[in-house]
Amino acid sequence: NAGVTQTPKFRVLKTGQSMTLLCAQDMNHEYMYWYRQDPGMGLRLIHYSVGEGTTAKGEVPDGYNVSRLKKQNFLLGLESAAPSQTSVYFCASSYSGAPNIQYFGAGTRLSVL
Amino acid sequence: AQSVTQLDSHVSVSEGTPVLLRCNYSSSYSPSLFWYVQHPNKGLQLLLKYTSAATLVKGINGFEAEFKKSETSFHLTKPSAHMSDAAEYFCVVSASGGYQKVTFGTGTKLQVIP
Repeated sequence: NAGVTQTPKFRVLKTGQSMTLLCAQDMNHEYMYWYRQDPGMGLRLIHYSVGEGTTAKGEVPDGYNVSRLKKQNFLLGLESAAPSQTSVYFCASSYSGAPNIQYFGAGTRLSVL
Repeated sequence: AQSVTQLDSHVSVSEGTPVLLRCNYSSSYSPSLFWYVQHPNKGLQLLLKYTSAATLVKGINGFEAEFKKSETSFHLTKPSAHMSDAAEYFCVVSASGGYQKVTFGTGTKLQVIP
């Protein structure tokens, strides 16, 4: 049982480049989330999804887009990367919404030069 | 509105001594509270959760936390620290009643000295 899998694990981008982060879960969870983690700031919610075909903005959505075409996958896109998006990105999933336990992936470390 | 404050950004203890990681919260709703642990270069893993049942919650690896409504606190404790407990710990508050918002604390890094 893999749980939540994120790809890639590491990535370096130049300013203005685009990329997509993939999150896949095999627990049949309805809810999925993308967070960013910055030193001293905890985790901040970027976007989330309450089911296949749905997405919603979180706390810090600017500069990111998401899609949930399949229940098990949640994609995070950066259309034009900026140095401020250098961060560690975590995907999580839960059976339903709060207050259910969230299960996290191992993270993607992104550097934008 | 809700918020969570982890009172210490770093805590250092000697192996075999007690651990106390402090967390205060505020919430307009009856809160659910969680502690997650993050080992270096890993994702977050649930330690324990409180969802309006017993106020003393036991988690994995010998950790426990007590919900104190009068003090709006949810401090994490362990009687005897082990080297493997060195990690970052996050207190999380979530409003019950179907509302989606989850708020993470800024984290406490626990150092265990041999």
